[in-house]
Amino acid sequence: GQQVMQIPQYQHVQEGEDFTTYCNSSTTLSNIQWYKQRPGGHPVFLIQLVKSGEVKKQKRLTFQFGEAKKNSSLHITATQTTDVGTYFCAGSDVYNTDKLIFGTGTRLQVFP
Amino acid sequence: KAGVTQTPRYLIKTRGQQVTLSCSPISGHRSVSWYQQTPGQGLQFLFEYFSETQRNKGNFPGRFSGRQFSNSRSEMNVSTLELGDSALYLCASSPLRNSYEQYFGPGTRLTVT
Repeated sequence: GQQVMQIPQYQHVQEGEDFTTYCNSSTTLSNIQWYKQRPGGHPVFLIQLVKSGEVKKQKRLTFQFGEAKKNSSLHITATQTTDVGTYFCAGSDVYNTDKLIFGTGTRLQVFP
Repeated sequence: KAGVTQTPRYLIKTRGQQVTLSCSPISGHRSVSWYQQTPGQGLQFLFEYFSETQRNKGNFPGRFSGRQFSNSRSEMNVSTLELGDSALYLCASSPLRNSYEQYFGPGTRLTVT
């Protein structure tokens, strides 16, 4: 079945450093979504990408959807302590667009 | 607009018992999905309900079941609880189907002893 993996599993950075998490799917995706879950909280929707090669920015966050629509990345420039949390990607298979599969998540820790 | 609400927030049960969790989606949202979150397995999709019908199901045993009412509120039931069922159960609603952006509730923390 469809699998969505993320790397790295954990990342510790000094405040001000950049951070990137990568999302890889075993199948071609119709779209990719990104969520953030703060410690003790619930996942919160950040963004959705639909087009091949699409790039979207939200302030210090840059999201990319691969040309083959099988991978995606989230890059945070100059991390802040408020960026702490687990970042999940989620996508649905092009042949089963009704089912969203979440990635394994990347936990980000930012040291002041 | 009020967010997704889940009740109860915390629950302690013993092995063999059954439990029912409730979820009220955002007003107007017709799709409700359930997820199990554990430290080791991440976010695992349980099932999705849309217009009172189960549309998708994850790879969980038949002990896990759910339903959706005409007002889109949903319940999830786990029978014959096992220790491994201890987890955070998250409900998410979506304006359309599961493949669209999900709005999560705060979750129900279930502990099975």
